[in-house]
Amino acid sequence: AQSVSQHNHHVILSEAASLELGCNYSYGGTVNLFWYVQYPGQHLQLLLKYFSGDPLVKGIKGFEAEFIKSKFSFNLRKPSVQWSDTAEYFCAVIVARDDKIIFGKGTRLHILP
Amino acid sequence: KAGVTQTPRYLIKTRGQQVTLSCSPISGHRSVSWYQQTPGQGLQFLFEYFSETQRNKRNFPGRFSGRQFSNSRSEMNVSTLELGDSALYLCASSLDRGDYGYTFGSGTRLTVV
Repeated sequence: AQSVSQHNHHVILSEAASLELGCNYSYGGTVNLFWYVQYPGQHLQLLLKYFSGDPLVKGIKGFEAEFIKSKFSFNLRKPSVQWSDTAEYFCAVIVARDDKIIFGKGTRLHILP
Repeated sequence: KAGVTQTPRYLIKTRGQQVTLSCSPISGHRSVSWYQQTPGQGLQFLFEYFSETQRNKRNFPGRFSGRQFSNSRSEMNVSTLELGDSALYLCASSLDRGDYGYTFGSGTRLTVV
């Protein structure tokens, strides 16, 4: 069965540090990839998505993600985090054949001021 | 524009009862999907509705069902509640089938006692 792995369950960084959150999926065919964010007390919001084309995708709030097909990965990056980036981040995959979205278990990011 | 509205926000039910949750999508959005979020399993897709037709139901028990009305509003019903059904139930809407530009609601927190 298809799955999405987010290996870091909890990440703690200081402000201005660089961020990379890992996401790997287990399907070799055509996929659509997403990162969602849930700030404390708020609903899930779409950060960025990849359907096709340039594998480096830029999203809101300075986030970007790179799709590396050979590694089945879609890691999220930000060069310099802010305290306001404290949130839970979810990677998600839609396998084109199945058309169902599968979420990773999430990574809680805590930024120290 | 108004976001995705889910009612009620909180619900406490006893085992064996049934419950109906409601989701009003963003105006103009025709696709509504439902998710269950628990600490152990994370965020899991339940099913999606488009044009009043269910598509892509994941492997959840038949106790979980839903429907969509002509105005795109959707309801999810869970019958014969079990303790393990305690979760945050989220709904998301998107413009069209296969659009994948999901906007999530704040969820209904269901507690089964």
